[in-house]
Amino acid sequence: DAEITQSPRHKITETGRQVTLACHQTWNHNNMFWYRQDLGHGLRLIHYSYGVHDTNKGEVSDGYSVSRSNTEDLPLTLESAASSQTSVYFCASGRGSGNTIYFGEGSWLTVV
Amino acid sequence: DAKTTQPNSMESNEEEPVHLPCNHSTISGTDYIHWYRQLPSQGPEYVIHGLTSNVNNRMASLAIAEDRKSSTLILHRATLRDAAVYYCILRYGNNNDMRFGAGTRLTVKP
Repeated sequence: DAEITQSPRHKITETGRQVTLACHQTWNHNNMFWYRQDLGHGLRLIHYSYGVHDTNKGEVSDGYSVSRSNTEDLPLTLESAASSQTSVYFCASGRGSGNTIYFGEGSWLTVV
Repeated sequence: DAKTTQPNSMESNEEEPVHLPCNHSTISGTDYIHWYRQLPSQGPEYVIHGLTSNVNNRMASLAIAEDRKSSTLILHRATLRDAAVYYCILRYGNNNDMRFGAGTRLTVKP
């Protein structure tokens, strides 16, 4: 079955380190998204991509970067992790406008 | 940008219908209305979406006001497994990104 997977599911890292969260989908969706969710809050859009080599900034993109070298993957990189980036990160993918998007199970990141 | 307003929380009794309201008074003509829900410790999952007409699927119904400035998600018979945060979201015209608000936390009492 087609799916969307995130890795690692849990990670603890130190302030200042570079961290990359992987997201892989097998639906061949053009659109992919990264969100963060802080405890007790809704999701906030970090970056999104409409296709290979396309990336766009979302609401809270500072300190994060993404690259899209193929259809299946959209890795999220924290260039220099900060404690304020401790959060749960969700990757999602979907086809086009108006269509459903599907979320991964989340990556729990703690920056100490 | 068009935004949505939802109550912070609602309660329901098991096996009773639940009506979850959403206001979106600044919606534009090409915005789709989407509903997602998030169960504890999981990613959001799709519930239903619509543009102008009411919609039904196996999970729920979506009633859209004639002026499209509000909508209501209807769970016909709430179960304990329906306890979740429900998000009403507008897809901005031809854009594909989705912006989530705080949602409504639904509690279902046995």
